[in-house]
Amino acid sequence: QKEVEQDPGPLSVPEGAIVSLNCTYSNSAFQYFMWYRQYSRKGPELLMYTYSSGNKEDGRFTAQVDKSSKYISLFIRDSQPSDSATYLCAMSEDTGNQFYFGTGTSLTVIP
Amino acid sequence: DADVTQTPRNRITKTGKRIMLECSQTKGHDRMYWYRQDPGLGLQLIYYSFDVKDINKGEISDGYSVSRQAQAKFSLSLESAIPNQTALYFCATSGLEDVHEQFFGPGTRLTVL
Repeated sequence: QKEVEQDPGPLSVPEGAIVSLNCTYSNSAFQYFMWYRQYSRKGPELLMYTYSSGNKEDGRFTAQVDKSSKYISLFIRDSQPSDSATYLCAMSEDTGNQFYFGTGTSLTVIP
Repeated sequence: DADVTQTPRNRITKTGKRIMLECSQTKGHDRMYWYRQDPGLGLQLIYYSFDVKDINKGEISDGYSVSRQAQAKFSLSLESAIPNQTALYFCATSGLEDVHEQFFGPGTRLTVL
């Protein structure tokens, strides 16, 4: 079993929709939870990260962590065509020495 | 100019050849990482380095070696390339002030025939 599981999609939504992206994990030692966006033929770019459980909001993006269920989510409100990309979740323990990535979810926002 | 650069961006080589991928950064970060990305497998950590004298194996280091020539330079070598090393390779950096924020390079697409 992989440490981090992520539905690869693809996910296709109309412009303006609310998008929900999710990951599950098995290692209870994970404390930091990251979301990256990767455009085609580019390197991943960090969107946001959270520590332990709870929510974090940044503009149209909200990250949620439920450590009791080992489940994390990224919500995108008012989705735009420019949000079309692959979204990767990643996790690490407190030390931040190593990072474990999900496989990524491919998102297309249709104008 | 990009903060994290990788050369070459694309490379096609043959089985058994020695290949070196190079990474340079201008962010002044101490930590550097090499990942490979395969469809359906996501990003997997090959090696990471916390300073010039500190190099550590990641999840999938077999068949690879690295060299940290300076704080700003971290190279990945495939001593004898094999076809299942065909992948997209990324270099990343992070700073001590926020180790959880990694900055990725643009990637090197390697094909081993």
